[in-house]
Amino acid sequence: QSVLTQPPSVSAAPGQKVTISCSGSSSNIGNNHVSWYQQVPGTAPKLLIYDNSKRPSGIPDRFSGSKSGTSATLGITGLQTGDEADYYCGTWDSSLSARVFGGGTKMTVL
Amino acid sequence: QLQLQESGPGLVKPSETLSLTCTVSGGSISSSNYYWGWVRQPPGEGLEWIGSIYYSGSTYYNPSLKSRVTISVDTSRNQFSLKLTSVTAADTAVYYCASPRPDSTSCYQSWGQGTLVTVSS
Repeated sequence: QSVLTQPPSVSAAPGQKVTISCSGSSSNIGNNHVSWYQQVPGTAPKLLIYDNSKRPSGIPDRFSGSKSGTSATLGITGLQTGDEADYYCGTWDSSLSARVFGGGTKMTVL
Repeated sequence: QLQLQESGPGLVKPSETLSLTCTVSGGSISSSNYYWGWVRQPPGEGLEWIGSIYYSGSTYYNPSLKSRVTISVDTSRNQFSLKLTSVTAADTAVYYCASPRPDSTSCYQSWGQGTLVTVSS
């Protein structure tokens, strides 16, 4: 059971927009920065978003992040087949003194 | 560019100790001001944080693994290591080492390619 809750799966058609939610509590998302990772099966996770909404260099602006209270959201616009992957949110949990990840969301482009 | 590479046995017997090393290139552990981490992923499952270490040796561990985990650092070799004792089949996973962004320690920017460790007799 993950500390952060994500939907198991989401899907949308090419060119459309999808959002992935990540729900936590005041001890994690509520008081710490959130990051998002993309993982294509068989490869290492790739950082997409850090500090809630910042994109590392090389990450297209089709990917966006936001945070409100104890929840965070990853948005992907202009969906491409290459975006099919598993997506994870992560943050620090101050009560546990530990990094925590969401359970992951499998994103399918129909 | 920072690169991380995991190494160690791919097969460990139940009840024995899993030992992995992460070798860092393109940057120095001793001159960093952040915690270097270990993350694992059982087959078909999600990411699980194992723990992290500062160049000075200060550590944080996942509470669920704390009794069995030791992470250490060797700055002279630019490496940090993971030991997990009393392993069972549930510890079978791909193990990744990772490091944060220098400007934001809240995330993991650089990841090793991962190494599959199977626990089996």
